[in-house]
Amino acid sequence: QSVLTQPPSSSGAPGQRVTISCSGSSSNIGSNTVNWYQQFPGTAPKVLMFNDHQRPSGVPDRFSGSKSGISASLAISGLQSEDEADYYCAAWDDSLNGWVFGGGTKLTVL
Amino acid sequence: EVQLVESGGGLVKPGGSLRLSCGGSGFIFSRYSFNWVRQAPGKGLEWVSSISASGTYIYYADAVRGRFTVSKDDANNAVYLQMNSLRAEDTAVYFCARDLYSSASSKHFDYWGQGVLVTVSS
Repeated sequence: QSVLTQPPSSSGAPGQRVTISCSGSSSNIGSNTVNWYQQFPGTAPKVLMFNDHQRPSGVPDRFSGSKSGISASLAISGLQSEDEADYYCAAWDDSLNGWVFGGGTKLTVL
Repeated sequence: EVQLVESGGGLVKPGGSLRLSCGGSGFIFSRYSFNWVRQAPGKGLEWVSSISASGTYIYYADAVRGRFTVSKDDANNAVYLQMNSLRAEDTAVYFCARDLYSSASSKHFDYWGQGVLVTVSS
């Protein structure tokens, strides 16, 4: 089991809005910022969101991040076929003294 | 252009050793901390180890502590992961990733290498 909990899958039609949740605890999400990574099959992950809600340059503003307490979420609006990928949340864990990841969410664009 | 390139992967028998290298270019290597993250076939991402810019602070996941050793060589712009007593469950693609601090207390992996496959099998 992963320390951070994500739904294994999510789906939506083109143009729709989807949200991916990430649940943790007081030692990780509750006390540190959350980052989100996007990964396409056979490629390295890429940072999609950092510091809970900041987008690196080049990431469309269709992607947004938020955090409340020990949970975080990634929202994708105006869903496009190229958004079909795996999404992972991550945070530093003060108890484990290391990074923890969610199990990943496979997003399917219908 | 920032680049991270891993090497050193391959097939090794259980109990064997392997050393992975991660070479960086396009940035001042000595100013950055680095991480190793692995991904078993068909599975999610798993953090393995981190090393600070100076090499002073080193962290390991419980699954590899005592078997893996991370090190940093600024003269050669490289980070290494020495893996000993390898087990079948260490089979994975190993990625090297650079840390970027967005604030004093917030960082993320801003650049990743392409990954290198390590297969532990008899």
